[in-house]
Amino acid sequence: EIAMTQSPVTLSVSPGERATLSCRASQSVSSNLAWYQQQPGQAPRLLIYGASSRATDIPARFSGNGSGTEFTLTISSLQSEDFAVYYCQQYNYWPRTFGQGTKVEIK
Amino acid sequence: QVQLVESGGGVVQPGRSLRLSCVASGFTLSSYGMHWVRQAPGKGLEWVAIISYDGNYKNYADSVMGRFTVSRDNSKNTVFLQMDSLRAEDTAFYYCARSYRYCDYWGPGTLVTVSS
Repeated sequence: EIAMTQSPVTLSVSPGERATLSCRASQSVSSNLAWYQQQPGQAPRLLIYGASSRATDIPARFSGNGSGTEFTLTISSLQSEDFAVYYCQQYNYWPRTFGQGTKVEIK
Repeated sequence: QVQLVESGGGVVQPGRSLRLSCVASGFTLSSYGMHWVRQAPGKGLEWVAIISYDGNYKNYADSVMGRFTVSRDNSKNTVFLQMDSLRAEDTAFYYCARSYRYCDYWGPGTLVTVSS
């Protein structure tokens, strides 16, 4: 099973600042990496697929990068609605596995 | 627009069974695989199972293998998760999600509580 490790666990950021979240896979998953955002009490929402492609209706301030084992999600200028938990997921192997999540909170 | 709605959750005793349903609308269900993903209260996401667009391929997480069965009825736009021999550690919100290898649309989830 591929282990996905996200860092940091919690990220404290001021509105308008940049946030960079990391995700590492225990072995190469090529570019088969997705990022999801989850607001409290809601289902996850797809942000990024293929490591760097934005999903439908996702604002341009969200960008993804990386391949192989190292990936990043960058939010260029945090808006109030961006404070949430973010998960990465690999879909190169079975079983599909998620990272443990990074909580982005208001500083 | 794409909509997924889960139902069938509730409180069940350990060892008993429960069947979840996921009704799809706004797209052609028979063209897509479907995932089930769960989330224990206050915890992270755990992938549970997938069924291919035609039902011929299924895969499960080790934690549910042999106890959970995924199925679908494309004529009714519905996917199912049959959960047998339930354990306390199966307590979670259960989400169905449309598969494009990753999960591109999710339902709001249904809560399953396994408790005596």
